[in-house]
Amino acid sequence: GESVGLHLPTLSVQEGDNSIINCAYSNSASDYFIWYKQESGKGPQFIIDIRSNMDKRQGQRVTVLLNKTVKHLSLQIAATQPGDSAVYFCAETGGTSYGKLTFGQGTILTVHP
Amino acid sequence: NAGVMQNPRHLVRRRGQEARLRCSPMKGHSHVYWYRQLPEEGLKFMVYLQKENIIDESGMPKERFSAEFPKEGPSILRIQQVVRGDSAAYFCASSPQAARTSAYNEQFFGPGTRLTVL
Repeated sequence: GESVGLHLPTLSVQEGDNSIINCAYSNSASDYFIWYKQESGKGPQFIIDIRSNMDKRQGQRVTVLLNKTVKHLSLQIAATQPGDSAVYFCAETGGTSYGKLTFGQGTILTVHP
Repeated sequence: NAGVMQNPRHLVRRRGQEARLRCSPMKGHSHVYWYRQLPEEGLKFMVYLQKENIIDESGMPKERFSAEFPKEGPSILRIQQVVRGDSAAYFCASSPQAARTSAYNEQFFGPGTRLTVL
């Protein structure tokens, strides 16, 4: 079935490094993508989103890249901080499933001081 | 402005009992979504509701699970005759507009209810 998945389940970086988290999706009808951050014991927190008519979007210290040709999404975090340690999920919606978010498996990001 | 509220935060039930999970959306939000998260997995969509209407329940198990969002009061996710496989974190999210008229609507998530079935 349609799914959204991540290549790497864990990522460890040093404080100050840049982090890149990847996501693959298979639903060609997907037209809206979101990255969420989930800290232990909490609900997902919106980080950044991107529509399918864009290939790049920047926020504060974060950048999302979308490659529709290969159905790939990435989240780049600049100057990673210990407070960035969390699980990161990509999610998508679109086609006939507006309102229904399909989440990927998640990547655990650990930032070492 | 308070965020999405869920209660209880932790719920323990024995097999065969009923679990009732409550979700109060953000002020001004009339669209509610329920998701389930198993340990070390992503969230899985269950149901999307507007006030007094179920819009999409394609992710809801056909038996034992039901959801409602009455005109007054919180949204309720009800699980009858719980089994150990129901143990999970259940998250509610809300959005301010109709998802079908605006696909690009951020969903704000609550802190979740962690259900443990003994």
